Amino acid sequence: EAGVAQSPRYKIIEKRQSVAFWCNPISGHATLYWYQQILGQGPKLLIQFQNNGVVDDSQLPKDRFSAERLKGVDSTLKIQPAKLEDSAVYLCASKLGSSGANVLTFGAGSRLTVL
Amino acid sequence: AQSVSQHNHHVILSEAASLELGCNYSYGGTVNLFWYVQYPGQHLQLLLKYFSGDPLVKGIKGFEAEFIKSKFSFNLRKPSVQWSDTAEYFCAVNTADTGRRALTFGSGTRLQVQP
Repeated sequence: EAGVAQSPRYKIIEKRQSVAFWCNPISGHATLYWYQQILGQGPKLLIQFQNNGVVDDSQLPKDRFSAERLKGVDSTLKIQPAKLEDSAVYLCASKLGSSGANVLTFGAGSRLTVL
Repeated sequence: AQSVSQHNHHVILSEAASLELGCNYSYGGTVNLFWYVQYPGQHLQLLLKYFSGDPLVKGIKGFEAEFIKSKFSFNLRKPSVQWSDTAEYFCAVNTADTGRRALTFGSGTRLQVQP
């Protein structure tokens, strides 16, 4: 089966600019996550979708970050305006159902550098 | 809220040495436990998982982990490491008894195996 697709793989922007990342999960996977991984740290959850609904966005900095999954398939994560501390790899992951026992499959990530 | 601690940030071993990476979590309820691995330039991949049953679980590539509930630990082991095991290892947990089942990750352990 095809994996989780993410684009772009790399993005360099200046602070206060905006950026958008796209994720296409594995076909049929209802649950989709966006994680932020800062260099030297583990992935940190930003937002969780179940189909097209938000399950958990408690750690999403809503003043600058937004995410949507309008049709319950692919998803977009946007940052506007970007800050230096947003430099990180943005990981998308998906899983089949909502059970905690389902295994996540991760994409390759989108590496953002904010100058 | 749940949290995960990985106390070894960087481990350097020679080939054929034995490996044990520590992982402790803080959550009093029922948990699912995971180890993920990220080889250089590759995606995060599942190494092994524990949901219930035998607390000693075996994963891919000769890795195993033991869940010790009384110690809130899920340490990763391998009797004899190879150069190809050089990677970053992440312990992760989610709760089995709440609606929010996103993974919480530790900060990771970078393993360097010298030939």
